[in-house]
Amino acid sequence: KNQVEQSPQSLIILEGKNCTLQCNYTVSPFSNLRWYKQDTGRGPVSLTIMTFSENTKSNGRYTATLDADTKQSSLHITASQLSDSASYICVVSLSANNLFFGTGTRLTVIP
Amino acid sequence: DARVTQTPRHKVTEMGQEVTMRCQPILGHNTVFWYRQTMMQGLELLAYFRNRAPLDDSGMPKDRFSAEMPDATLATLKIQPSEPRDSAVYFCASGLERLGRISGGWEETQYFGPGTRLLVL
Repeated sequence: KNQVEQSPQSLIILEGKNCTLQCNYTVSPFSNLRWYKQDTGRGPVSLTIMTFSENTKSNGRYTATLDADTKQSSLHITASQLSDSASYICVVSLSANNLFFGTGTRLTVIP
Repeated sequence: DARVTQTPRHKVTEMGQEVTMRCQPILGHNTVFWYRQTMMQGLELLAYFRNRAPLDDSGMPKDRFSAEMPDATLATLKIQPSEPRDSAVYFCASGLERLGRISGGWEETQYFGPGTRLLVL
């Protein structure tokens, strides 16, 4: 069973709307939880990194939250833009070389 | 604007051939990672170096894959012989691992290269 599950698998939203992506994990405790954005044909880019004790971390219009009790993280995107169309990957890290990857959520923002 | 570079960007080869992928990490970074990404498996860690020393290559099929860092500016990933199931996008990432003032633990942000798209026929 994958220890990091992301939902939805894909999402289509209108430009300007907000959306929330979910990441459920079973890995616990962990060193940090990361959200990456991956544009088509490019490498992943780090959006946020949260340690086990943090609840929220923002990066511009991206806000990640972490609930260690329910083992859930979410990535909230505010006022979506066309350039937000990408895959978003949740990664739970026990250590630098002990990583658990979600399979990602494919977000499409339409005008 | 410092970035991780990878060559080649695309590679098509025949089964049985040797494939060498190269990565130039960001100057000053002390960690290098090799990942493989497929539609079915998503991202998988293949190898991890810190200060050029290989710390973990348990994610690699040992009989055909090898990863090295001959110097601080070059990391290589070799497949010999290649097989069709090796077809994937291979990413290199580099990072700077340092002790976090607030978290008290080792923190690191990884910067990914653009990837090498490999197709083995």
